[in-house]
Amino acid sequence: GAVVSQHPSRVICKSGTSVKIECRSLDFQATTMFWYRQFPKKSLMLMATSNEGSKATYEQGVEKDKFLINHASLTLSTLTVTSAHPEDSSFYICSAEREGRSDTQYFGPGTRLTVL
Amino acid sequence: AQSVSQHNHHVILSEAASLELGCNYSYGGTVNLFWYVQYPGQHLQLLLKYFSGDPLVKGIKGFEAEFIKSKFSFNLRKPSVQWSDTAEYFCAVKSSGNTGKLIFGQGTTLQVKP
Repeated sequence: GAVVSQHPSRVICKSGTSVKIECRSLDFQATTMFWYRQFPKKSLMLMATSNEGSKATYEQGVEKDKFLINHASLTLSTLTVTSAHPEDSSFYICSAEREGRSDTQYFGPGTRLTVL
Repeated sequence: AQSVSQHNHHVILSEAASLELGCNYSYGGTVNLFWYVQYPGQHLQLLLKYFSGDPLVKGIKGFEAEFIKSKFSFNLRKPSVQWSDTAEYFCAVKSSGNTGKLIFGQGTTLQVKP
């Protein structure tokens, strides 16, 4: 149990376009989901915390207007990179906590975004 | 600010060798500690975690970690590695005051030679 999926796994887009990444908890309900960014040979950096039915909480330095997060249901959170630029190219990973249990996060497989 | 430091960036071992990966954190309060593993092409998986109690924690696949509060450390160990342990290993810390927020170390790449 506790499977998290992400779609797409890989996306290439032109500079200036917007890209939406989905994160789904397949076999559990997740009131809280997290979005991370991973740079090559570097650690995961938390971008924002997404709570179902409320606004996301962004970490310092993360532009909320550029990285739009929506957590419309207990199994789905989306991250939209608006007006993407080459510097937004990265590996984006989501994670989810089971409803009622905040002790462990379950991670998705990640989405590789390349902006040309 | 909280931070997590993993001392070894790239470790190369032969099969059957013993493994110890260092992890230190900076935070004065109560913490929850985690080790995650990322096999090539796969997502992060939880190896083990420490919340309270016995500071020696046993995880999956023969891994264990010891929490030493006085040293702010949570080192990962395995007595005998296998080729299949080749992966990226991440130490992570969550403070009791920051619900859900995980702070990750830089990661350690482990390469096990057959």
